[in-house]
Amino acid sequence: GAVVSQHPSRVICKSGTSVKIECRSLDFQATTMFWYRQFPKQSLMLMATSNEGSKATYEQGVEKDKFLINHASLTLSTLTVTSAHPEDSSFYICSARDRLVRTQYFGPGTRLLVL
Amino acid sequence: AQTVTQSQPEMSVQEAETVTLSCTYDTSESDYYLFWYKQPPSRQMILVIRQEAYKQQNATENRFSVNFQKAAKSFSLKISDSQLGDAAMYFCAYRSGNYGGSQGNLIFGKGTKLSVKP
Repeated sequence: GAVVSQHPSRVICKSGTSVKIECRSLDFQATTMFWYRQFPKQSLMLMATSNEGSKATYEQGVEKDKFLINHASLTLSTLTVTSAHPEDSSFYICSARDRLVRTQYFGPGTRLLVL
Repeated sequence: AQTVTQSQPEMSVQEAETVTLSCTYDTSESDYYLFWYKQPPSRQMILVIRQEAYKQQNATENRFSVNFQKAAKSFSLKISDSQLGDAAMYFCAYRSGNYGGSQGNLIFGKGTKLSVKP
């Protein structure tokens, strides 16, 4: 089946630094990728939708200058958490929609801990 | 706006038994898709089953089947012959048939935690 990878799987950083998370579709092309945030024991919360070659669409309440999204190719999207603070600590999940079959596949997630 | 409701925060089933997880949704659209995703402790989201709204026949994937009641806007998941590996969070999700922008995004319910007793 289709595979979506995320890197890193876990990251610990100091407050004030920036962290970049990569999301790759390994065996399919994804014109659309989604970024989610999940708090413990809660559902997935959509942060933004990115389309290849265009600016991301952010959900209400998500700071676009805080969470920079780049979708430079059909197989790669990145999420950069800028000037991270402890409240940004969370589990971030990306998802890629297969261009052809239009099924959404999920990455394994990235656990971010900001000290 | 579309909403998805899972009214059972937790469920428990004995190994080899059958369990049904409930999901209801609200939409004014006629073209949409419904999904069940499984999230085990590893937190990797795994697609369990999908249902196209225009199909009357209930989807089935091995031990997993759905009861899709379009008029009632109900989409329950039945797991037969439950196995220890079925223990996970299960999320019901809705997606519009319109793929424009975030309308193509999945809308998730709050999830049901399923425990399987040996």
